[in-house]
Amino acid sequence: QKEVEQNSGPLSVPEGAIASLNCTYSDRGSQSFFWYRQYSGKSPELIMSIYSNGDKEDGRFTAQLNKASQYVSLLIRDSQPSDSATYLCAVKNDMRFGAGTRLTVKP
Amino acid sequence: GAGVSQSPRYKVAKRGQDVALRCDPISGHVSLFWYQQALGQGPEFLTYFQNEAQLDKSGLPSDRFFAERPEGSVSTLKIQRTQQEDSAVYLCASSLRATGMGTEAFFGQGTRLTVV
Repeated sequence: QKEVEQNSGPLSVPEGAIASLNCTYSDRGSQSFFWYRQYSGKSPELIMSIYSNGDKEDGRFTAQLNKASQYVSLLIRDSQPSDSATYLCAVKNDMRFGAGTRLTVKP
Repeated sequence: GAGVSQSPRYKVAKRGQDVALRCDPISGHVSLFWYQQALGQGPEFLTYFQNEAQLDKSGLPSDRFFAERPEGSVSTLKIQRTQQEDSAVYLCASSLRATGMGTEAFFGQGTRLTVV
């Protein structure tokens, strides 16, 4: 089992919809969780970090963490075509990544 | 500098050649990470430094891969006797702290290595 698992996708949503991206992890001791966005041909860029159980909101993005279920998710509200990218989940201080979920937002 | 800087941006190597990839992290960042990313895949962890100490090198695919960060700042990833399967983008990232809050990593632009 990989340390970090993500829905491989691809995920397609219409413009204006909510996109939901999910990530599970194996190490119960993980304390730090991150979501990155990667456009084709570019490097990953940080969207959100979350350290404690519950929700954390930043603009159209909400990260949700449930340590008991070893689950972290990212919701994107009012999805825009510019949100089309691969979304990567990273766990722990040593930054292990999932394989990423490719999101397409259709106009 | 303002961000993580990697050089060269592109490298073409003949099979069997040795290559060295450089990473300049954000000034003052304690942690430094190297990843290998193949097309359509997520970044695969290679190795992790905390200051000059290499705390985890479990992701290095073979003994042809070697990384160092002798003064706790600039890091070099060296690949000896390159093979075609080494062709990938090599990403470097750094973070301010090693634990707790502030462990977000920031990435360089990557080095695209092509072995011919």
